Amino acid sequence: DVKVTQSSRYLVKRTGEKVFLECVQDMDHENMFWYRQDPGLGLRLIYFSYDVKMKEKGDIPEGYSVSREKKERFSLILESASTNQTSMYLCASSLPWGRQGGISYEQYFGPGTRLTVT
Amino acid sequence: RKEVEQDPGPFNVPEGATVAFNCTYSNSASQSFFWYRQDCRKEPKLLMSVYSSGNEDGRFTAQLNRASQYISLLIRDSKLSDSATYLCVVNIRAGNMLTFGGGTRLMVKP
Repeated sequence: DVKVTQSSRYLVKRTGEKVFLECVQDMDHENMFWYRQDPGLGLRLIYFSYDVKMKEKGDIPEGYSVSREKKERFSLILESASTNQTSMYLCASSLPWGRQGGISYEQYFGPGTRLTVT
Repeated sequence: RKEVEQDPGPFNVPEGATVAFNCTYSNSASQSFFWYRQDCRKEPKLLMSVYSSGNEDGRFTAQLNRASQYISLLIRDSKLSDSATYLCVVNIRAGNMLTFGGGTRLMVKP
């Protein structure tokens, strides 16, 4: 059974703080993703990593950075937290595209971190 | 136009009813399609993949219509526990990224 864990379920930070969100998966998946989910806006991809030290920007990377030093761990960093970064943050992992033809694999999600920036 | 579009609902149905959701997608070359379920304040979880020939899993049936670029989810004999948001997911962009629809909220009433 795939397990994706996130370091915190709830987090409250002050404006301007540096925030680290950690995600760990135990299924040896190459791909890892960070999303945020907001009412009315759905799931939006922030960053994606397809291998250790490799990353790609998603749809809304501004104000965020990521780190992947080990295959199982993917960190999201808010360099200077702002109130508009208050959101639910979801991490996911998956097998890599193209392993079987041109299909993409389903993503497995962690429980989410509800971040409030005050 | 959104890349993956769903009616947000809510769909309010009585227990035992049959309910269907559609989802349209923008890229005719998309190859991978999924339905996810998300309960309130929980993470999305895979409900089922959608195959070209259509597929069924118990009370749930998924269909793909490539010509019209939509996928559907049919739920028969609705249960109270089916109340959730159903997310349509498509690989709009070739490669590893998936695009999520905004979700359709289902509420099953006693």
